[in-house]
Amino acid sequence: QSALTQPASVSGSPGQSITISCTGTSSDVGGYNYVSWYQQHPGKAPKLMIYEVSNRPSGVPDRFSGSKSGNTASLTISGLQAEDEADYYCSSYTSSSTPVFGGGTKLTVL
Amino acid sequence: QVQLQESGPGLVKPSQTLSLTCTVSGGSISSGDYYWSWIRQPPGKGLEWIGYIYYSGSTYYNPSLKSRVTISVDTSKNQFSLKLSSVTAADTAVYYCARTSLTLLGYGMDVWGQGTTVTVSS
Repeated sequence: QSALTQPASVSGSPGQSITISCTGTSSDVGGYNYVSWYQQHPGKAPKLMIYEVSNRPSGVPDRFSGSKSGNTASLTISGLQAEDEADYYCSSYTSSSTPVFGGGTKLTVL
Repeated sequence: QVQLQESGPGLVKPSQTLSLTCTVSGGSISSGDYYWSWIRQPPGKGLEWIGYIYYSGSTYYNPSLKSRVTISVDTSKNQFSLKLSSVTAADTAVYYCARTSLTLLGYGMDVWGQGTTVTVSS
């Protein structure tokens, strides 16, 4: 299974919105509504931010939203805050009954 | 509140077998709603899913690691374990255990251990 494709880095200023893409195939992202997004601060374990493409676990701010079109999923963060600076990873269930992660995107808040 | 804690040697010699255990507290590993996963992260790199196990013992592995990986579960101890054989320096990473929700969160990994660093070196 190949890793999902994410941009290496994105940046934005406080208050702005950014979008991180996650591109796979019809055997993963495109085939299932089981896309998750994780936030990871340096030296910390990842935190689940979005599941099933667009659902937020309890406690995740509604500034975080997810969507999917075809083989590409997206994470949008609106009203950027300094604490949003982190690495973000997407993950998708696959036709092999296993998950696969994206390569990760470093978000810099300018 | 469910918590996960990894344990095991922090240093493993090349060609030997890496062995880690994840202890689940605050909940039962025998809950039918979850798979129990191992994920790793080499220094400065991204996350790599290694495999997961159901409480019944059913396992799924990353194809790229399948020949070297064994994940097992001990429901009496509320633990699951990872063994990775024939390790090389490329297996040096932070190893995480995580709970993977099947039905409630669509295969989302909602509870993670703090991670344990394993270095492969002679």
